[in-house]
Amino acid sequence: DAKTTQPPSMDCAEGRAANLPCNHSTISGNEYVYWYRQIHSQGPQYIIHGLKNNETNEMASLIITEDRKSSTLILPHATLRDTAVYYCIVRVYNQGGKLIFGQGTELSVKP
Amino acid sequence: DGGITQSPKYLFRKEGQNVTLSCEQNLNHDAMYWYRQDPGQGLRLIYYSQIVNDFQKGDIAEGYSVSREKKESFPLTVTSAQKNPTAFYLCASRGDSVNTEAFFGQGTRLTVV
Repeated sequence: DAKTTQPPSMDCAEGRAANLPCNHSTISGNEYVYWYRQIHSQGPQYIIHGLKNNETNEMASLIITEDRKSSTLILPHATLRDTAVYYCIVRVYNQGGKLIFGQGTELSVKP
Repeated sequence: DGGITQSPKYLFRKEGQNVTLSCEQNLNHDAMYWYRQDPGQGLRLIYYSQIVNDFQKGDIAEGYSVSREKKESFPLTVTSAQKNPTAFYLCASRGDSVNTEAFFGQGTRLTVV
């Protein structure tokens, strides 16, 4: 079972920041949170990951709450090409470090 | 370019036939994974391998088989025992470090008629 819950869909205006929330209240102390996105009929694309500190890269920022029970992915200036399904994932240490995917959030960026 | 390649992108087979999906990576990764995705669903783990000549069942291994004879290659065979084989299949690989990300191929869409 997925260890994360996300809203099924969100809209965002082009050029505005997209803030995608994720709850992972049962996360263990050494489990990382990963974010991937998937455009229809393509393989998931890695975005960012973190353990307990906030992280930023060229694609996005990841804000993790102090208790680690939730996080937010921020796309600072969303474009139409950011329209995709975004998955918040906890990577577990059994089964070879597999990624447990939930349903994800379908983000629609509108002009 | 380094990456992970799946082939073919689309595959059609008749019911009752076995079919093998290819997955190759040149990232020098030890760990490789096969996932299955059904419409509107997240990915589910079929098999994984952490090292050459070793592999383990994932959550939905029934009706599938794999081999890992080379580090670069992790082919998946969908056998006739798999009751609902039509799906999107994704291969991934990951480096050794505890916090490295997994890279995914572009997937193979298998349709059994």
